[in-house]
Amino acid sequence: QKEVEQNSGPLSVPEGAIASLNCTYSDRGSQSFFWYRQYSGKSPELIMSIYSNGDKEDGRFTAQLNKASQYVSLLIRDSQPSDSATYLCAVNGPTSGSRLTFGEGTQLTVNP
Amino acid sequence: DGGITQSPKYLFRKEGQNVTLSCEQNLNHDAMYWYRQDPGQGLRLIYYSQIVNDFQKGDIAEGYSVSREKKESFPLTVTSAQKNPTAFYLCASQAGTPGETQYFGPGTRLLVL
Repeated sequence: QKEVEQNSGPLSVPEGAIASLNCTYSDRGSQSFFWYRQYSGKSPELIMSIYSNGDKEDGRFTAQLNKASQYVSLLIRDSQPSDSATYLCAVNGPTSGSRLTFGEGTQLTVNP
Repeated sequence: DGGITQSPKYLFRKEGQNVTLSCEQNLNHDAMYWYRQDPGQGLRLIYYSQIVNDFQKGDIAEGYSVSREKKESFPLTVTSAQKNPTAFYLCASQAGTPGETQYFGPGTRLLVL
């Protein structure tokens, strides 16, 4: 089992729809969770970080964390073509120090 | 203007050659990281350093070497022992406390001639 798994893509949604990106992790003691966006040929940039169970909202983005189910998701409301990118989930485990473990990413395409 | 710089943007390596990728940060971050990304893949950790003059191997350290002589700088050398070096190399830095965000440089794309 991979340490961090993301839903297989590519994911395609129409403009204005909600895009839902999912991530599961294997280490139950993990404390810190991050969503990065990576445009083709560019480096990852942070979208959201979340540390506590529940929802965290920032503009059109909502991160949801459920530690009991070892599940973290990212919702993008009113999806725009500019949201088309690969989204990477990253997790900091309890024995990892400051290291992050990344999923393989989910490619999202928002169609006009 | 704070940030992370990587150079060069593109690098070409000949067979049997060692090449060095530069990474500099002026964020006063303690921790620095090198990742490799292959097409359609996630990030794999090569080496990381949490303090000057100390570094640890990541998951795919074979064929690579690093140094951390200054807080601001963490160069990566791709040695001739790395038989498949073609990839996108990303440097990141972090304040150093577990749970802090990692910030990435723009990356270096390494190609083999």
